[in-house]
Amino acid sequence: NAGVTQTPKFQVLKTGQSMTLQCAQDMNHEYMSWYRQDPGMGLRLIHYSVGAGITDQGEVPNGYNVSRSTTEDFPLRLLSAAPSQTSVYFCASSSIGQGVYEQYFGPGTRLTVT
Amino acid sequence: AQSVAQPEDQVNVAEGNPLTVKCTYSVSGNPYLFWYVQYPNRGLQFLLKYITGDNLVKGSYGFEAEFNKSQTSFHLKKPSALVSDSALYFCAVRDMSDDYKLSFGAGTTVTVRA
Repeated sequence: NAGVTQTPKFQVLKTGQSMTLQCAQDMNHEYMSWYRQDPGMGLRLIHYSVGAGITDQGEVPNGYNVSRSTTEDFPLRLLSAAPSQTSVYFCASSSIGQGVYEQYFGPGTRLTVT
Repeated sequence: AQSVAQPEDQVNVAEGNPLTVKCTYSVSGNPYLFWYVQYPNRGLQFLLKYITGDNLVKGSYGFEAEFNKSQTSFHLKKPSALVSDSALYFCAVRDMSDDYKLSFGAGTTVTVRA
């Protein structure tokens, strides 16, 4: 099992550019989520999904879109990048049948917006 | 709304000494509580959880945590710290009535000196 994979590992964008951060899991988990990690602020939930075709907003959803067309994939789209979106982004997944207790995290994508 | 506080940005201990990382939480209902660890340039790894039952829960790598409802705390402990325990530790909480949103604390950096 690869677990949760994320691409790219690093990305530099200019203000106003768009891009998609990829996330995939091979554990057949229903629940997937995106977090951003900023110094001194911990992890903040951006969007989450409880299954294909179902997504919902987290704590900081503005400027980000998600979709879930398959169980395995949960891409995060930045519509028009801003310097405030400079952060480390983590994707995570969990089995809902186990109560979304233990989340498995990907290795992260470090994004810099100039 | 739910929230987590980790009052110490940094904890420094000598190898072999007891390690404690503090966490307090706020939820409107009953809490699910978690500890995660992040090693440099890695994603988060699950350490342990409290759902119900015994207030003392044991987790990975010799860590344990004590749930104290009256003090709304969930401190992480290890009787004898190792240099390899040096990492960033996150406490997280989920309200039982809010199925899928996990709130993280800001994190505590633990440094264990040889």
